Amino acid sequence: QQPVQSPQAVILREGEDAVINCSSSKALYSVHWYRQKHGEAPVFLMILLKGGEQKGHDKISASFNEKKQQSSLYLTASQLSYSGTYFCGTESASGSEKLVFGKGTKLTVNP
Amino acid sequence: DTGVSQDPRHKITKRGQNVTFRCDPISEHNRLYWYRQTLGQGPEFLTYFQNEAQLEKSRLLSDRFSAERPKGSFSTLEIQRTEQGDSAMYLCASSRRMPLGEEQFFGPGTRLTVL
Repeated sequence: QQPVQSPQAVILREGEDAVINCSSSKALYSVHWYRQKHGEAPVFLMILLKGGEQKGHDKISASFNEKKQQSSLYLTASQLSYSGTYFCGTESASGSEKLVFGKGTKLTVNP
Repeated sequence: DTGVSQDPRHKITKRGQNVTFRCDPISEHNRLYWYRQTLGQGPEFLTYFQNEAQLEKSRLLSDRFSAERPKGSFSTLEIQRTEQGDSAMYLCASSRRMPLGEEQFFGPGTRLTVL
């Protein structure tokens, strides 16, 4: 079951904050976040395992609510380099180790 | 460069022809994944290997698709009797399973156009 991401697109000015959500109808073992710039391969940002932990590096952090099967990606004080499409990939708790990716959230940061 | 590499980067073929793509993973990674991505969509899982064993294959994948990883190193993805609907970016990723999860490193992809 493909996770649902929201919003589909967001436009920011440099320095503004954004939140991207990822929701699944299945019990999850982990959530992975990737960023893909136009014409390039997806690049790993972070992984969150079940347990409700929050992770972050620099000004990008994420949380995972195991009970709600939801994850949120937080981008603070956005930079031009944050522009791209963000994908969450979910790993089911049922045993399959494959990732199922959402449709993505396109983030545009303008000067 | 020690990242994931894919060959060719672009492939244009006529409907009905067979095509084969190659992926060379990061050398110490024992897992290798194939995905397909179309415009406006996230990567769609096709299949994955742990060493030379193919552990899972998408049920959406028709019998025209086959993948191999004969020596647990590079992998090939073959599409037989290509159809226009096969046009997409084919991505390969490699990883090493760790206790706290795994980070998949993606290659640059092979863009397939079926005419």
